[in-house]
Amino acid sequence: AAGVIQSPRHLIKEKRETATLKCYPIPRHDTVYWYQQGPGQDPQFLISFYEKMQSDKGSIPDRFSAQQFSDYHSELNMSSLELGDSALYFCASSLGGELFFGEGSRLTVL
Amino acid sequence: KNEVEQSPQNLTAQEGEFITINCSYSVGISALHWLQQHPGGGIVSLFMLSSGKKKHGRLIATINIQEKHSSLHITASHPRDSAVYICAVEPHDTSGSRLTFGEGTQLTVNP
Repeated sequence: AAGVIQSPRHLIKEKRETATLKCYPIPRHDTVYWYQQGPGQDPQFLISFYEKMQSDKGSIPDRFSAQQFSDYHSELNMSSLELGDSALYFCASSLGGELFFGEGSRLTVL
Repeated sequence: KNEVEQSPQNLTAQEGEFITINCSYSVGISALHWLQQHPGGGIVSLFMLSSGKKKHGRLIATINIQEKHSSLHITASHPRDSAVYICAVEPHDTSGSRLTFGEGTQLTVNP
């Protein structure tokens, strides 16, 4: 069965660069969530989308933006990267409640 | 004090043992999730509960809404069960399914 697909799986960037992470939800799932998990930390909610509209916003820095496209995939754009942005970024999708997580995109900022 | 607390933080067991991981939360919730995270990061959703008990294979999850407590049980544990098990809740006062995570329980099952 198709799962949540995230790309890239690994990304290395320099400080002050930009990065874009992509999330392809399970087909027909209408809701996408983004979470950030720093080293040794719990995942923290960043932002979510329902039917291509932002539905909730968490601790997402102003340097970050995200959107959900007409095909329901979502992109998380991160600018002016800082060392503290190094983390595992999870995407999850749902249809009616149960969550399915992607494998995550590991961002390392040098 | 965290809104979601798990115990124990670390658990080592011998293959075949019965394992229990506990989760307590302090907020009203609409659902509770048990998740499994393996080294390297991928998260797998094990259960979503709003009441009662669910069973999937060797895994059993229970929730007591009045006591704000949930347990995850693993019967006949196996080394491949070694992972971090995370309890996460959907608080009533948030929209959608935004989750608040516990700190996780690191389970190691030795052969």
